[in-house]
Amino acid sequence: DAGVIQSPRHEVTEMGQEVTLRCKPISGHDYLFWYRQTMMRGLELLIYFNNNVPIDDSGMPEDRFSAKMPNASFSTLKIQPSEPRDSAVYFCASRRGLSGNTIYFGEGSWLTVV
Amino acid sequence: GQNIDQPTEMTATEGAIVQINCTYQTSGFNGLFWYQQHAGEAPTFLSYNVLDGLEEKGRFSSFLSRSKGYSYLLLKELQMKDSASYLCAVRNYGQNFVFGPGTRLSVLP
Repeated sequence: DAGVIQSPRHEVTEMGQEVTLRCKPISGHDYLFWYRQTMMRGLELLIYFNNNVPIDDSGMPEDRFSAKMPNASFSTLKIQPSEPRDSAVYFCASRRGLSGNTIYFGEGSWLTVV
Repeated sequence: GQNIDQPTEMTATEGAIVQINCTYQTSGFNGLFWYQQHAGEAPTFLSYNVLDGLEEKGRFSSFLSRSKGYSYLLLKELQMKDSASYLCAVRNYGQNFVFGPGTRLSVLP
């Protein structure tokens, strides 16, 4: 079975540019999470969806960040405009709500803003 | 508020046993999870506790005491490939997973 699929795997962009990260969750999973990982702050939740509806976006740093889930198999995290402090690894993860326990992570999108 | 603490780094010898501790204070509790993360890779699931006690899974065991807000991950017969970061995470009632800072384990020959 395919796991959580993220793209791009690596992105280097200039400050001020728009960045869009993409995620395809595991089929049948009804929860989708976006996490950010840095050395300083560790793994922190940005936003999560249940059945395509955003449930908790309190971790989204500021208005420059936005996330959407137009259907059960696709989500995007957008940063506009990007800043150097946004440099991090962005993980998408998914889980099945009723019976499943753990969340499954994608391989991450490594973002560098210069 | 939510707070999860783990030691930053640990070192152990191949073949030995190591215990990685995790203490937590969270708003709601719906399970404690341990993940392994190798450098440059995504976290992968190791174990899950929702009731007090010990869960054993091969060389890995995890213990939970809900009254003390405490868990540990026990790794036996350490191998070089066990060198990684180990993340403790608590799932709260909102289905959110809150992660600790991680413990970087180095296994020496």
